[in-house]
Amino acid sequence: SAVISQKPSRDICQRGTSLTIQCQVDSQVTMMFWYRQQPGQSLTLIATANQGSEATYESGFVIDKFPISRPNLTFSTLTVSNMSPEDSSIYLCSVTPLDSYTEAFFGQGTRLTVV
Amino acid sequence: RKEVEQDPGPFNVPEGATVAFNCTYSNSASQSFFWYRQDCRKEPKLLMSVYSSGNEDGRFTAQLNRASQYISLLIRDSKLSDSATYLCVVKPNTGNQFYFGTGTSLTVIP
Repeated sequence: SAVISQKPSRDICQRGTSLTIQCQVDSQVTMMFWYRQQPGQSLTLIATANQGSEATYESGFVIDKFPISRPNLTFSTLTVSNMSPEDSSIYLCSVTPLDSYTEAFFGQGTRLTVV
Repeated sequence: RKEVEQDPGPFNVPEGATVAFNCTYSNSASQSFFWYRQDCRKEPKLLMSVYSSGNEDGRFTAQLNRASQYISLLIRDSKLSDSATYLCVVKPNTGNQFYFGTGTSLTVIP
């Protein structure tokens, strides 16, 4: 299993600003993902965070808007840039541990409100 | 077409009732299947994996029909604590992405 610490747990931000969300895992993991969950919706994958290289973004998401870092196997950040009210959502970090390639574990989520 | 489709509900059932959720997936190459539970304002957590032969964990039974690309979750003797959103999750045999259904909302009523 994996224990994930994600912070901040929530924030209220002004439009036009940026917020960086951190995800720390207690063990080495193979894959780290960032998801968005809008109210009443399911999870949408933003990107896969790759260690030491650029993240792999899904259709509809771009690096300029959602830059991602993953400097090592246990840590990643997601930045939501130049925010607008449409970015208000829950952002979730997810990992797949080395010993469990098929199971996904989630951080507690970051509830972002842009005003 | 969505990768995973679920009836969003809501399902409102009395305590002790049996309730079933269904899910269909579009990618026949999908290899791994799960049910996750998400409580209000919480992150999703794995409830159970779904195996081809079907599997049971206490009051919960999951079944997979590969021919019909259909997954089900049966909850017997519902408890108030079962109230949550249940997410059907599918992972293809290529790539690393998990595909999530929109979730089925369950409320168990005293």
